[in-house]
Amino acid sequence: QKEVEQDPGPLSVPEGAIVSLNCTYSNSAFQYFMWYRQYSRKGPELLMYTYSSGNKEDGRFTAQVDKSSKYISLFIRDSQPSDSATYLCAIGRRFGAGTRLTVKP
Amino acid sequence: NAGVTQTPKFRVLKTGQSMTLLCAQDMNHEYMYWYRQDPGMGLRLIHYSVGEGTTAKGEVPDGYNVSRLKKQNFLLGLESAAPSQTSVYFCASSFRVGTRNPSYEQYFGPGTRLTVT
Repeated sequence: QKEVEQDPGPLSVPEGAIVSLNCTYSNSAFQYFMWYRQYSRKGPELLMYTYSSGNKEDGRFTAQVDKSSKYISLFIRDSQPSDSATYLCAIGRRFGAGTRLTVKP
Repeated sequence: NAGVTQTPKFRVLKTGQSMTLLCAQDMNHEYMYWYRQDPGMGLRLIHYSVGEGTTAKGEVPDGYNVSRLKKQNFLLGLESAAPSQTSVYFCASSFRVGTRNPSYEQYFGPGTRLTVT
């Protein structure tokens, strides 16, 4: 079992939709949870950073951590074509495979 | 403030050739990392450095060597390239938290696309 599992997608949604991206992890000791966004042919950039459990909101983005289920989520509200990218979760220093998201106008 | 830069951006090698990838950061970060990214595999850590003059192995170190002679630079070397090393290579850096721990927030370079034929 991989330490961090992420569905690679691809995921395609219409503009304005709510997007839910998820990762599961195996090591319950992890405390730091990150989401990175990676545009095509670019390096990843940090989007959200959460320590321990709970929710964190930043504009249209919400990161959620459920430590009891070892499950993290990233929600994107009112999705825009500019949100089209690959989203990678990082738990501790382990990265998921990334989910490719396309938001269609 | 350029952040993290990588050279070259693209490279094609023949099997058995050697090359060095250069990473530079201007954020005075203590920690630097080299990753490779392959389809369906995510980012896998090759080597990392916790400070000038130090290096350590990551998840997939075989076939690679690294050096950190200056704080701002981290070099990744391939001594004898193999087709299995065809990948996109990313360098990243992070700052220190407290007296000795690295932040989990990493700043990535734009990547180097390497093809080995």
